[in-house]
Amino acid sequence: DVKVTQSSRYLVKRTGEKVFLECVQDMDHENMFWYRQDPGLGLRLIYFSYDVKMKEKGDIPEGYSVSREKKERFSLILESASTNQTSMYLCASSLRGSQSQPQHFGDGTRLSIL
Amino acid sequence: AQSVTQLGSHVSVSEGALVLLRCNYSSSVPPYLFWYVQYPNQGLQLLLKYTSAATLVKGINGFEAEFKKSETSFHLTKPSAHMSDAAEYFCAVSVAGGYNKLIFGAGTRLAVHP
Repeated sequence: DVKVTQSSRYLVKRTGEKVFLECVQDMDHENMFWYRQDPGLGLRLIYFSYDVKMKEKGDIPEGYSVSREKKERFSLILESASTNQTSMYLCASSLRGSQSQPQHFGDGTRLSIL
Repeated sequence: AQSVTQLGSHVSVSEGALVLLRCNYSSSVPPYLFWYVQYPNQGLQLLLKYTSAATLVKGINGFEAEFKKSETSFHLTKPSAHMSDAAEYFCAVSVAGGYNKLIFGAGTRLAVHP
């Protein structure tokens, strides 16, 4: 089974802090994704990566950046955390190729910015 | 542009009753469609996917979905609800153009009453 591991389940940070969310997958997937999940809005794509050192903006990239130095690891960075970034963050990975390939998700990080 | 609409943010059924969760999509190309389930404090788990091989798709935990092109629908059903089915359900469509990006609906929270 694919395993996507997010480093923290719960995280509390302060406004203005630089925050790192880490995600590791063990199935050699080319594609990795970061989403935020808010009630009534479903999942919204922040950034994705289709290869090492390659990244593309999603629908809501403002206030975030990402890093992918190794194939298995995809980091989400909040450069200067703000209260409106309090949310559930989900990481996912998938094989490259056919659009029929599903995404596999981690358990999420619930981030609170105070 | 592709999109997904889930009708009903909350659905409540009795244990043993039929479960019907509605999903309509918009796509200018033949779509790939997915249903995911999210149990409390967990990530998303793939229930089933439509990849054009068959219009009736069977998934895990007794769920199935039927692709109806004329109605642009992909509704999720289960003949008999179980208490353990209480969760949030997301319908998603794969974005044309590569990278296996998904567009998610806003989600439907299913409650099952004894």
